[in-house]
Amino acid sequence: EAQVTQNPRYLITVTGKKLTVTCSQNMNHEYMSWYRQDPGLGLRQIYYSMNVEVTDKGDVPEGYKVSRKEKRNFPLILESPSPNQTSLYFCASRSDQGSGIYNEQFFGPGTRLTVL
Amino acid sequence: AQSVTQLGSHVSVSEGALVLLRCNYSSSVPPYLFWYVQYPNQGLQLLLKYTTGATLVKGINGFEAEFKKSETSFHLTKPSAHMSDAAEYFCAVSSKAAGNKLTFGGGTRVLVKP
Repeated sequence: EAQVTQNPRYLITVTGKKLTVTCSQNMNHEYMSWYRQDPGLGLRQIYYSMNVEVTDKGDVPEGYKVSRKEKRNFPLILESPSPNQTSLYFCASRSDQGSGIYNEQFFGPGTRLTVL
Repeated sequence: AQSVTQLGSHVSVSEGALVLLRCNYSSSVPPYLFWYVQYPNQGLQLLLKYTTGATLVKGINGFEAEFKKSETSFHLTKPSAHMSDAAEYFCAVSSKAAGNKLTFGGGTRVLVKP
């Protein structure tokens, strides 16, 4: 089954304790992206990656890191989490064949992060 | 810069009634417009999209949207609401100038009353 998976689905942590949220897709997509969802603000893009070893900032990159060492994986790293990073996080992927940016993004199920 | 405004964070409709969700966008170049739906505890899935060509776009589950350039709008409609339409709906915009950024509106939560 074609899908985007994220782990963990739920995470409660404390300020300053480094954490990683994993994201993996099995569709051989070139493009991957991370979003955070906050009430009333919709989804805001954190980082995206056009392909292996190619990443770029989205609209809200402060406090986050990413890496893209393999095509299928795109982990999100919070080196020193703070309470304002409490949010619902989504990973997404998209094929860049054919229409490229017109193509549908496929979303993972989300990771609910609470930073105390 | 591009942006999206969704009017109404919550909409309540009766089963069988028209669903109308409003979306206005801002983009300095021709936009690509999307509607996504999020069911409870799930990720987003694409309902429909407008890129070029026909301005009335049909999507899944009986939804459609019309691109109106003069009004910078992309409103989503469904003639007859079903209980299964209860979800949160997001309008989003992208463009060639924006590269690979997809900008979302704040979302509209739809409640369907029996």
